Amino acid sequence: GAVVSQHPSRVICKSGTSVKIECRSLDFQATTMFWYRQFPKQSLMLMATSNEGSKATYEQGVEKDKFLINHASLTLSTLTVTSAHPEDSSFYICSARDRGTQAKNIQYFGAGTRLSVL
Amino acid sequence: QKEVEQNSGPLSVPEGAIASLNCTYSDRGSQSFFWYRQYSGKSPELIMSIYSNGDKEDGRFTAQLNKASQYVSLLIRDSQPSDSATYLCAVNRPGGGADGLTFGKGTHLIIQP
Repeated sequence: GAVVSQHPSRVICKSGTSVKIECRSLDFQATTMFWYRQFPKQSLMLMATSNEGSKATYEQGVEKDKFLINHASLTLSTLTVTSAHPEDSSFYICSARDRGTQAKNIQYFGAGTRLSVL
Repeated sequence: QKEVEQNSGPLSVPEGAIASLNCTYSDRGSQSFFWYRQYSGKSPELIMSIYSNGDKEDGRFTAQLNKASQYVSLLIRDSQPSDSATYLCAVNRPGGGADGLTFGKGTHLIIQP
């Protein structure tokens, strides 16, 4: 099956620092990757859509200068949380859509990154 | 605001019985519908996808879609304690170019041994 690797799984950092999260599709090419955020007892909320070789599309209310997304290849997208603050503490999850089954819009999720900002 | 609605539960079902999970969505333009299972502290795992009206079966799972009623359901037959989890209904977001997913808040399912 399609595997999406996400690292790191957990980050604890001080307020004001930047954190980089990597999302890799291991056995398929992903022209599109998605970044979601999940607060406790809430559902996943789409933050942004990342297309290989182009700028990310951000959802309303998501600051693009705070959440920097880079999708440099067909298998790698990164999310950088810049100047993180306690309110950014959340569970960040990436997903990747298989280029081969794009029409079915099936997204495979990474294991998630739990960010705690002190 | 495009929404996906689910009963948060908890839904308690005896082991071996059928668990029935329901979901409604507001965007009539949606074309792709998914059920994900999420264990506490983990990321979602795809259970079923469905694209056309009717039933789709995969092992113990059956997804049902009714686009006219904007309704999606998931049946789990012969429920096992390992099925205890939160089940997320997700619907694609057409027209915005992103085709990301809108998730419901999930139904917490408990299978009682």
